[in-house]
Amino acid sequence: TQLLEQSPQFLSIQEGENLTVYCNSSSVFSSLQWYRQEPGEGPVLLVTVVTGGEVKKLKRLTFQFGDARKDSSLHITAAQPGDTGLYLCAGLASGTYKYIFGTGTRLKVLA
Amino acid sequence: GAGVSQSPSNKVTEKGKDVELRCDPISGHTALYWYRQRLGQGLEFLIYFQGNSAPDKSGLPSDRFSAERTGESVSTLTIQRTQQEDSAVYLCASSLWDPPEKLFFGSGTQLSVL
Repeated sequence: TQLLEQSPQFLSIQEGENLTVYCNSSSVFSSLQWYRQEPGEGPVLLVTVVTGGEVKKLKRLTFQFGDARKDSSLHITAAQPGDTGLYLCAGLASGTYKYIFGTGTRLKVLA
Repeated sequence: GAGVSQSPSNKVTEKGKDVELRCDPISGHTALYWYRQRLGQGLEFLIYFQGNSAPDKSGLPSDRFSAERTGESVSTLTIQRTQQEDSAVYLCASSLWDPPEKLFFGSGTQLSVL
């Protein structure tokens, strides 16, 4: 069974601080995605990384895919209250079209 | 509509009753996924469809759960003899195929089993 563990589970920080969320697995994934989910809504895709070692930047968010394609990180610079939400990583299981979601990181940014 | 639509948005049922949850994907999306999300947690894979076929049903928790899709469009997730542990948000997502690069999610059905 392929599992994706995220850490930390909860994170509460002040506006302007930096943070990193981790997504780890013992399995290799074809690609990895990050989603953000707000209360009462479905997750919304932020980014997809495909190549081992790949780094993508989306404004203040930086995403990295591990060299072995087993892990990923999301770094937010100068967090803002609008970044508050549940962050989920999702890996595309090798040889299938099944997306496995991580355990989630709930982020709260205080003004 | 332009997005994935799920109905009902909320469902309260009594233990032992059957429920049907509906998903209308984005038109033209051949891939359709069902996930379960317990309060404050990540998404648990249930099943996905490629067209009207379900190549992977491995996530269905028990034989009380079943899903079907017709016309490469609407999908229904049925839970028979509901139990309290079935209480959760059930999310549906659709995507273009080959490969499914971006999942578009509905807002989910909040199921409460009393």
